[in-house]
Amino acid sequence: DIVMTQAPLSVSVTPGESASISCRSSKSLLHSNGITYVYWYLQKPGKSPQLLIYRMSNLASGVPDRFSGSGSETDFTLKISRVEAEDVGIYYCGQLLENPFTFGSGTKLEIK
Amino acid sequence: EVQLVESGGGLVQPGRSLKLSCLASGFTFSNYGMNWIRQAPGKGLEWVASISSSSSYIYYADTVKGRFTISRDNAKNTLYLQMTSLRSEDTALYYCARGHADYWGQGVMVTVSS
Repeated sequence: DIVMTQAPLSVSVTPGESASISCRSSKSLLHSNGITYVYWYLQKPGKSPQLLIYRMSNLASGVPDRFSGSGSETDFTLKISRVEAEDVGIYYCGQLLENPFTFGSGTKLEIK
Repeated sequence: EVQLVESGGGLVQPGRSLKLSCLASGFTFSNYGMNWIRQAPGKGLEWVASISSSSSYIYYADTVKGRFTISRDNAKNTLYLQMTSLRSEDTALYYCARGHADYWGQGVMVTVSS
């Protein structure tokens, strides 16, 4: 199974500042079709996870462009620019390249 | 608007069975693979099972293989998860999610306890 390792475990950010969350996969997530199958989700308190970024760098519908995703075949970054209070929650990376789909353990974002 | 509404959860004794349903609306259900993903209390996300649009391909996590069965009825726009031989470690909030988990339901709680 592909292991997804996230860091840090938690991050505390001042509103208006930026935050970055890292995710590393134990295997390349680059498919032969050129698509890298890493996804980012945010689970706000008491809510279902919502998709933020799909296929490494594509912004999901309705997601503010303060969110961006980047990376290589095995190392990925979610960047949140100009953090707002509504961004609090737990961020998960996930690989949907092959079954079993696997997720990172999550990064909790708090506001200072 | 895409909607996924799970139902069928509850409190069940160890070793018993339960069947979850997920009613989909707002998109052409028969065009999408579907998934069940669960979250134990206070824990992270664990993928459980996937089924392709026509049910040709089905995959399970090792933790549920042989005990859970995923299925779908495209005529009813409904996804199912039949759970048997339930264990305490199956206690979780179960979400159905479309395709590459671009949309999630609100989740349904399953508690396995005597």
